[in-house]
Amino acid sequence: EAGVVQSPRYKIIEKKQPVAFWCNPISGHNTLYWYRQNLGQGPELLIRYENEEAVDDSQLPKDRFSAERLKGVDSTLKIQPAELGDSAVYLCASSPGSSSGNTIYFGEGSWLTVV
Amino acid sequence: DAKTTQPTSMDCAEGRAANLPCNHSTISGNEYVYWYRQIHSQGPQYIIHGLKNNETNEMASLIITEDRKSSTLILPHATLRDTAVYYCIVGLGTYKYIFGTGTRLKVLA
Repeated sequence: EAGVVQSPRYKIIEKKQPVAFWCNPISGHNTLYWYRQNLGQGPELLIRYENEEAVDDSQLPKDRFSAERLKGVDSTLKIQPAELGDSAVYLCASSPGSSSGNTIYFGEGSWLTVV
Repeated sequence: DAKTTQPTSMDCAEGRAANLPCNHSTISGNEYVYWYRQIHSQGPQYIIHGLKNNETNEMASLIITEDRKSSTLILPHATLRDTAVYYCIVGLGTYKYIFGTGTRLKVLA
């Protein structure tokens, strides 16, 4: 079974430019997550979807970040405009659900460098 | 803030058992203990989770103390490929996952 697929794997952009990351979760997983991981730190949740609904976006910087999950499957995370501090790894993850005992499966991550 | 406390780093000789401790003294009755690991340049990988009983799978064993305030992840025969950052997480649901900085395990040849 295929795991969580993310693209691009690496991206280097100049500040103020836009960037988008794509995620295809594990088939049948209703819950999708976007995390951000800074160097030397653990992942931090940005947004969580239950099917196509964003049920927790409290940590998403809404002035420049946006996300969507059309049809409750694939998802896109966008940053516009990017700032130097956005350099990080953006991890997509999915799980069958979000209740107790469920397990989250992560993708390989999209490494963003803003110069 | 993370609800768990882990040592910053540990070394283990190849072929020996690696025992990674985690303190979670504020865990509530229905919260699970999860372990993930992250090998350099990869996303976190699920290892094991448990509620009250000890658990074992093909990767590791999880020992949870009777009062549930601490746990130990055991890699029975560590290999160089087990070198990674290991995260201990407690949570009621997946939306409550809080990753700390984890334990950096180095397996030595």
